[in-house]
Amino acid sequence: QKEVEQDPGPLSVPEGAIVSLNCTYSNSAFQYFMWYRQYSRKGPELLMYTYSSGNKEDGRFTAQVDKSSKYISLFIRDSQPSDSATYLCAVCRDNYGQNFVFGPGTRLSVLP
Amino acid sequence: NAGVTQTPKFQVLKTGQSMTLQCAQDMNHEYMSWYRQDPGMGLRLIHYSVGAGITDQGEVPNGYNVSRSTTEDFPLRLLSAAPSQTSVYFCASSYKGTGSYEQYFGPGTRLTVT
Repeated sequence: QKEVEQDPGPLSVPEGAIVSLNCTYSNSAFQYFMWYRQYSRKGPELLMYTYSSGNKEDGRFTAQVDKSSKYISLFIRDSQPSDSATYLCAVCRDNYGQNFVFGPGTRLSVLP
Repeated sequence: NAGVTQTPKFQVLKTGQSMTLQCAQDMNHEYMSWYRQDPGMGLRLIHYSVGAGITDQGEVPNGYNVSRSTTEDFPLRLLSAAPSQTSVYFCASSYKGTGSYEQYFGPGTRLTVT
């Protein structure tokens, strides 16, 4: 079983839709969870990270962690064409930010 | 600040050739890492470093060497390139310490081995 699994998509939605992106992870010891956005032919950039179960909001983005089911989600409200990118979930294997494992990414297209 | 820079942007190698991918950061970050990104497999950690003189293996270290003589630089060496090393390589850096999980990624090097 892979440590982090993610539906690769692609996912196409109309502008203004609410987008839900999801990952599952295998090791209940993982404590830190991150979402990165990667535009085509660019390096990933961190969108959000969370530590505990529950929700964390940042503008149009909400990250959600359910440790009991080992499930992490990213919601994008009022999606824009500029949100079209690949979204990568990641977990940190340690408490010091040294050793990360990434999901394969979900490719999202927001259509005008 | 330039952030994380990588050179070259593109490279084509023949099987058996060696080369070094360069990575530099100007943010005084202690941690630096190398990843490869392949379709459907996401980013996989090759090697990482927690400071000058200290390196460790990640998930897929075979065929790659690293060293960290300065805080700023973290080169990745391919000793004898193989077609299986065709990939996009990303270097990343981050602060040290608990609660610091933001990695800053470079723009990547696209490597093709024929």
